[in-house]
Amino acid sequence: GAVVSQHPSWVICKSGTSVKIECRSLDFQATTMFWYRQFPKQSLMLMATSNEGSKATYEQGVEKDKFLINHASLTLSTLTVTSAHPEDSSFYICSARDFDTDGGGYTFGSGTRLTVV
Amino acid sequence: DAKTTQPPSMDCAEGRAANLPCNHSTISGNEYVYWYRQIHSQGPQYIIHGLKNNETNEMASLIITEDRKSSTLILPHATLRDTAVYYCIVRLMNRDDKIIFGKGTRLHILP
Repeated sequence: GAVVSQHPSWVICKSGTSVKIECRSLDFQATTMFWYRQFPKQSLMLMATSNEGSKATYEQGVEKDKFLINHASLTLSTLTVTSAHPEDSSFYICSARDFDTDGGGYTFGSGTRLTVV
Repeated sequence: DAKTTQPPSMDCAEGRAANLPCNHSTISGNEYVYWYRQIHSQGPQYIIHGLKNNETNEMASLIITEDRKSSTLILPHATLRDTAVYYCIVRLMNRDDKIIFGKGTRLHILP
């Protein structure tokens, strides 16, 4: 089945630094990927839609200058949290859709737990 | 996407069938019902989806009412590993349609 790999699985960074999270579709091509954020005991919140070769589409209230998304190839999207602060500490999850996979559902990465100290 | 309503939490004894309800009274004719689950500290996992007929796969069964205003996900023999948050989502099967998650049901499987 379709596999989405997310890296790193966890990261600790100092306040003010930037962190890059990678999302790769391992055995299929994904023109569109999605980035979510999840705080403890809450549901996943969609942050943005990553489009290969074009600008990402951000959900209302998500700062595009803070959460930089690049989708330079059909198998890789990256999310960079710039000038991270403790309130950016969260669980970040990406997803992509393999149209050849039975079910038509989206495949999710295993998530990245970001802790900003 | 149409909204869904799920109970915030449920308990089920290990080995018994877990029946998770979902209300989607505003669903439109071309919207599908999808179920995902999220085990603690992992990404969501696809379970099953359907349009109007009941569906079954190796993980679960999906029962959709005739008026399509509600559905039930059935885990036939729940195990401790089924403890997770289960999300019922209603959406179109468009090529790049995004998934919006509700609050889901936290299912506790009791030994």
